[in-house]
Amino acid sequence: DAGVTQSPTHLIKTRGQHVTLRCSPISGHKSVSWYQQVLGQGPQFIFQYYEKEERGRGNFPDRFSARQFPNYSSELNVNALLLGDSALYLCASTRTYPQVYEQYFGPGTRLTVT
Amino acid sequence: TQLLEQSPQFLSIQEGENLTVYCNSSSVFSSLQWYRQEPGEGPVLLVTVVTGGEVKKLKRLTFQFGDARKDSSLHITAAQPGDTGLYLCASNFGNEKLTFGTGTRLTIIP
Repeated sequence: DAGVTQSPTHLIKTRGQHVTLRCSPISGHKSVSWYQQVLGQGPQFIFQYYEKEERGRGNFPDRFSARQFPNYSSELNVNALLLGDSALYLCASTRTYPQVYEQYFGPGTRLTVT
Repeated sequence: TQLLEQSPQFLSIQEGENLTVYCNSSSVFSSLQWYRQEPGEGPVLLVTVVTGGEVKKLKRLTFQFGDARKDSSLHITAAQPGDTGLYLCASNFGNEKLTFGTGTRLTIIP
């Protein structure tokens, strides 16, 4: 079975530009979450989507937005890029069972803003 | 705000030694996951623990969940260079947002 896939693998943008990152969850998983991981830190939660609806949002500015499509794939959009947006962006799909939300991560997209 | 603290932050040991890393919170975990992450890659799920006092083993890795479900530990026996990586604990604290610990960066010296 294919795991979580993300594209692109690497991306270089300049300040002020916008970027779109893509994610496909594990087959059968209906929930997708996005995380930002800055070098030397643990992942920070950005968004979670379930069945195309936003279920949770982390402490990120409105420049960050996301959506989920009918096939459960997802896009993360970031507008007006800042140098501080440089990070590894991780997508995770969620397997749920009572009391547990078990997340499986993709390889990430490395975004560099210059 | 639920916080997960991991210790130690950095650990460097010789191949063949044993080690333990810890994950603690002031809040009760509904469940707890341990992940290992290598540079430039996404975290890989190692184990999920749910029940207080639970012990799970994965080859040379032993995971314990505290009785009060506020702490967990990961013990590695006979560490190998392939164990090198960033070890992260994480919990959703009953909601759908996964909160990660501060991480333990482990280096095994051949």
